[in-house]
Amino acid sequence: DIQMTQSPSSLSAAVGDRVTITCRASQSIDSYVNWYQVKPGKAPRPLIYDASRLQVGVPFRFSGSGSGTDFTLTISSLQPEDFATYYCQHSYGTPLYTFGQGTKLEIK
Amino acid sequence: QLQLQESGPGLVKPSETLSLTCSVSGGSISTISYYWSWIRQPPGKGLEWIGSIYHSGTTYYNPSLKSRVTISVDTSKNQFSLNVTSVTAPDTAVYYCASDYGYGMDVWGQGTTVTVSS
Repeated sequence: DIQMTQSPSSLSAAVGDRVTITCRASQSIDSYVNWYQVKPGKAPRPLIYDASRLQVGVPFRFSGSGSGTDFTLTISSLQPEDFATYYCQHSYGTPLYTFGQGTKLEIK
Repeated sequence: QLQLQESGPGLVKPSETLSLTCSVSGGSISTISYYWSWIRQPPGKGLEWIGSIYHSGTTYYNPSLKSRVTISVDTSKNQFSLNVTSVTAPDTAVYYCASDYGYGMDVWGQGTTVTVSS
């Protein structure tokens, strides 16, 4: 089964900072990685699909990259509304989907 | 615009079956190339994919839950459903339904909280 490992599990940063979250797959998954933002009490918000494609309405400060086993989500200049937990997810092979364990982004 | 809405009991007794429905509006559940999925988030924990059903009716389940989970579609009602048998406290979670048309899970329901308790 494909496992997704995110790092770090938590991160403290200030408004305006550039942050990068990493996700590693246990085997090559081409570019079949999606990223989601989750805030308490709210449904997950899709951010990126196919490793680097922005969902409609997502600000351009969010970007994704990678292929094969290593992927990154970057926020170029943190805004107050970006403090949340972020999850990667693969959509390749078996099982159909797996989420990473999440990265909690907190205000420094 | 596609919208999803979960419904079902908020409290289920241990050993019983959890049953939830996701109502689809703004589109047909029979549309080709759609995956319809269930995801849950236990309190204080991360997202867990439960399973999905393709427009053709093919189902895919999380191996860790496969023995207890069934997902089905009711095209006449434009709904899909989740059954989890023999529930215990660790099944307490917010349950979400979501759709994937090849662009990740890009539409989500608002979520419904299910508590397993006697």
